[in-house]
Amino acid sequence: DAGVIQSPRHEVTEMGQEVTLRCKPISGHNSLFWYRQTMMRGLELLIYFNNNVPIDDSGMPEDRFSAKMPNASFSTLKIQPSEPRDSAVYFCASSFNTGALQPQHFGDGTRLSIL
Amino acid sequence: QKEVEQNSGPLSVPEGAIASLNCTYSDRGSQSFFWYRQYSGKSPELIMFIYSNGDKEDGRFTAQLNKASQYVSLLIRDSQPSDSATYLCAVKGDTGKLIFGQGTTLQVKP
Repeated sequence: DAGVIQSPRHEVTEMGQEVTLRCKPISGHNSLFWYRQTMMRGLELLIYFNNNVPIDDSGMPEDRFSAKMPNASFSTLKIQPSEPRDSAVYFCASSFNTGALQPQHFGDGTRLSIL
Repeated sequence: QKEVEQNSGPLSVPEGAIASLNCTYSDRGSQSFFWYRQYSGKSPELIMFIYSNGDKEDGRFTAQLNKASQYVSLLIRDSQPSDSATYLCAVKGDTGKLIFGQGTTLQVKP
């Protein structure tokens, strides 16, 4: 079975540019999560969706970040304008639902470098 | 106080030994507890999870949970060099969100 698929795997761009990260969750999973990982702050939850609806975006750093889930098989995380401090690895994860016994499965991540 | 705390390590053990990784959490309402392994440059990979007090075994891995002490641990028996990685403890409460610790780096020396 295909796991969580993220694209691109690597992105290098200059500050001020728009960045769009993409995620396809595991088929049948109704919950989708966007995380950011840095050495300093570890793995942080940015936002999560349940049945395509954003449930909690309290981890989104600021208005430059936005996320959408137009359908059950696709989500995007957009940064506009990007800044060097946004450089990190961004992971998407999905789970069957948000129940206590439902684990999250991670994609391979997007390594983002903002110059 | 951080919500989920782990010793960053590195924890170094010889091949064949038992590695013991520990995690404490602050929210008494936490319902389930997950251990992920993350190799350098890779994504977190689920090892196992536990939700009841006591031990849960899966192959060489044993998760232990003590809700009264707000403590969860992961034991790796017969440690192998391939077990060298960062181990992330994650805790889930009634919000459905996973809160991750900073991770413990394990080094298994041949």
